[in-house]
Amino acid sequence: DAGVIQSPRHEVTEMGQEVTLRCKPISGHNSLFWYRQTMMRGLELLIYFNNNVPIDDSGMPEDRFSAKMPNASFSTLKIQPSEPRDSAVYFCASSLGGASLSGANVLTFGAGSRLTVL
Amino acid sequence: GQQVMQIPQYQHVQEGEDFTTYCNSSTTLSNIQWYKQRPGGHPVFLIQLVKSGEVKKQKRLTFQFGEAKKNSSLHITATQTTDVGTYFCQGAQKLVFGQGTRLTINP
Repeated sequence: DAGVIQSPRHEVTEMGQEVTLRCKPISGHNSLFWYRQTMMRGLELLIYFNNNVPIDDSGMPEDRFSAKMPNASFSTLKIQPSEPRDSAVYFCASSLGGASLSGANVLTFGAGSRLTVL
Repeated sequence: GQQVMQIPQYQHVQEGEDFTTYCNSSTTLSNIQWYKQRPGGHPVFLIQLVKSGEVKKQKRLTFQFGEAKKNSSLHITATQTTDVGTYFCQGAQKLVFGQGTRLTINP
């Protein structure tokens, strides 16, 4: 298995532009997670899906952020409009089972998308 | 909400010395996971602890889960340069990660 695949690996954009980050989870995993990592705030859970349904989006910073999972093999995280404070590494992770099951908590992370907003 | 606190935030050791990081939760955890993130890399799963008082070993790494299931530790014996990175604990509920302990090693 190729693991969790994220794209792009690096993105540099200007303030106000739309940013779309993509993720392909491991085949057979039915939970998908988006995390953001910064030096100041560490790893923050933004949103997670179970069976393509958003379960908890309480970590999404504000309305500029949105995430979708149209099918079991694809998810997007969109920022519109982007701001310099959104600069971070965004990780997608997937796991087996629902988030309430112990097995669901063993996450496999993608390599991350490093976003720089100028 | 649940908080998972990790200490220390940074640790610098001489190669060959031991290293320990501690994870404390404000609430009882059903299970806890440990991950390692190499510089410039992504978190990689190391181990899961489920039972009260559980101890698991992976070569030079020893993981413990407290009796009350509110704290955990990771101990590395005789560190090597390959151990460099940030070690995170993750509580089950809300999938919250600790702040991580960044380990650097003087060869």
